[in-house]
Amino acid sequence: DSGVTQTPKHLITATGQRVTLRCSPRSGDLSVYWYQQSLDQGLQFLIQYYNGEERAKGNILERFSAQQFPDLHSELNLSSLELGDSALYFCASSRQGNQPQHFGDGTRLSIL
Amino acid sequence: AQKITQTQPGMFVQEKEAVTLDCTYDTSDPSYGLFWYKQPSSGEMIFLIYQGSYDQQNATEGRYSLNFQKARKSANLVISASQLGDSAMYFCAMREGLRYSGAGSYQLTFGKGTKLSVIP
Repeated sequence: DSGVTQTPKHLITATGQRVTLRCSPRSGDLSVYWYQQSLDQGLQFLIQYYNGEERAKGNILERFSAQQFPDLHSELNLSSLELGDSALYFCASSRQGNQPQHFGDGTRLSIL
Repeated sequence: AQKITQTQPGMFVQEKEAVTLDCTYDTSDPSYGLFWYKQPSSGEMIFLIYQGSYDQQNATEGRYSLNFQKARKSANLVISASQLGDSAMYFCAMREGLRYSGAGSYQLTFGKGTKLSVIP
């Protein structure tokens, strides 16, 4: 058990819809990272938050947004969903930047 | 150019034998870290081992060791005494810009992975 909690584990929805993925980092970890894993693109970094502030953006679409709350949990919002958004979305956390990132079990998103 | 290259899409190893999974990387940053993660068929990502660019010794964690050859820019994972439970995808990843601790942007760049199958 990595200590990182992601909900829900599975999500099935339709094109055009909006979903919210939730992540609770390990106790004491201030950094939260979101990654997307798809068959086409592999594992790609989306966005990072540190103690509530956005720190870095990767290959994140404009239809996607995220935030980190004062209790350090984070949410990834995906809107106007397309078939190509079907993927496994991971959240990871670390205490400081030079510490290993520990991953949650992921949310598997399926767009029908 | 790809930052992380894993040239072996799939590997087979006999149970109890050792196996080496290859990883080469590309960076101009003198401060970086290299990581290996295991992803079983159930999907979770499990952190295995870490090597910093300034570390003098090769990292070891139980049956996992990292063969770090800085001049060749390679960071191969060695699994000794393979077990059936080692069957999984293995990803090599790099994090650049480790010069400073703290809040910096330290996202991981992943390779495409190697699927390891352990044969009884």
